[in-house]
Amino acid sequence: QTVVTQEPSLTVSPGGTVTLTCASSTGAVTSGYYPNWFQQKPGQAPRALIYSTSNKHSWTPARLSGSLLGGKAALTLSGVQPEDEAEYYCLLYYGGVWVFGGGTKLTVL
Amino acid sequence: QVQLQESGPGLVKPSETLSLTCTVSGGSISSYYWSWIRQPPGKGLEWIGYIYYSGSSNYNPSLKSRVTISLDTSKNQFSLRLTSVTAADTAVYYCARQPTVHSGSDFWGQGTLVTVSS
Repeated sequence: QTVVTQEPSLTVSPGGTVTLTCASSTGAVTSGYYPNWFQQKPGQAPRALIYSTSNKHSWTPARLSGSLLGGKAALTLSGVQPEDEAEYYCLLYYGGVWVFGGGTKLTVL
Repeated sequence: QVQLQESGPGLVKPSETLSLTCTVSGGSISSYYWSWIRQPPGKGLEWIGYIYYSGSSNYNPSLKSRVTISLDTSKNQFSLRLTSVTAADTAVYYCARQPTVHSGSDFWGQGTLVTVSS
């Protein structure tokens, strides 16, 4: 069974920079896994942020960026704002099947 | 802007069938891929499957034997059926639009909680 792994939790100071990563149990994550990133706040539906590694939706803040880093998919938040505190999920494509990561709880403190 | 709304029973008995419908407004269902995702209380997201407007579909292997996703283009709706449910199927169920086979979902419904209990 394929497992997608994210950091369970991260803490960042307001104005700081943080990178969340997404690893695959099958090996290095490449663009062929079409990594997606979502943000979810308590009681709300997930909101799409990034698709196909680094592409932003029209509503995605410019301070967020997606990339591949050291064999993993990565989401970097720069100039972190208090409203960035949320759970972040990555999503990877495995030839017709999608698998979510377990999520990273980002605390802004 | 496209909007999605889930509807269906909030309580299902064990061993019975869970049925949900997603109504799409602000755009035609006769294009794109249409997905279901669920989230057990306090846990992470799980991809259930998708259907293309042509009718082709793909499912999570762990649920494949119990899941069917279908389309009703005349009503601009798509549906989820999950058979033989247990307490482990208790979750918030989301419907979502997926622009291409290689992109994740962009627009999501607000979600609906389905509890499996006798």
